[in-house]
Amino acid sequence: QKEVEQDPGPLSVPEGAIVSLNCTYSNSAFQYFMWYRQYSRKGPELLMYTYSSGNKEDGRFTAQVDKSSKYISLFIRDSQPSDSATYLCASTNFNKFYFGSGTKLNVKP
Amino acid sequence: DAGVIQSPRHEVTEMGQEVTLRCKPISGHNSLFWYRQTMMRGLELLIYFNNNVPIDDSGMPEDRFSAKMPNASFSTLKIQPSEPRDSAVYFCATKRGSTGSDEQFFGPGTRLTVL
Repeated sequence: QKEVEQDPGPLSVPEGAIVSLNCTYSNSAFQYFMWYRQYSRKGPELLMYTYSSGNKEDGRFTAQVDKSSKYISLFIRDSQPSDSATYLCASTNFNKFYFGSGTKLNVKP
Repeated sequence: DAGVIQSPRHEVTEMGQEVTLRCKPISGHNSLFWYRQTMMRGLELLIYFNNNVPIDDSGMPEDRFSAKMPNASFSTLKIQPSEPRDSAVYFCATKRGSTGSDEQFFGPGTRLTVL
């Protein structure tokens, strides 16, 4: 079992839709939770970062962590074609990062 | 800042050949990570260094893989001999600090094809 599990999709939505991306993790010691966005043929870039449980909002993006159920979520409001990319969730145990396999999102104009 | 620099960007080689991938971290970053990304297995951590010292190499698939960080400005990942199943995109990432609280910055990756 991987430390972080993620539905690979792909996920296709119309422009303006609300997108929900989800991951689960297995290690209760994880404290930091991240979402990375990766465009085709590029390296991942940090999108959202959360410490412990709770919500964090940044513009159209909301990251949510529920440590009781070991569940990580990313919500995108008013999705845009420019949001089309692969989204990877990640968590850390000290300095070692564990990534989900990524969900490919396509936002259709 | 130039960001994390990786070279080469693309490498095509034949099975059995030695491959060396290079990474120059962002100045001031003291943690460096090597990842491999494939469609089947996603993004996998191979090895990471802190202050030039290898901390965890449990992700290195086998003895054909080796990594070094001779100084704070340079790291290499070597595959010898290479095999077709090593074909993947290899990323180098760096960050400040040695805890999970700092952002990790990824390089553009090296796309390796082993024929």
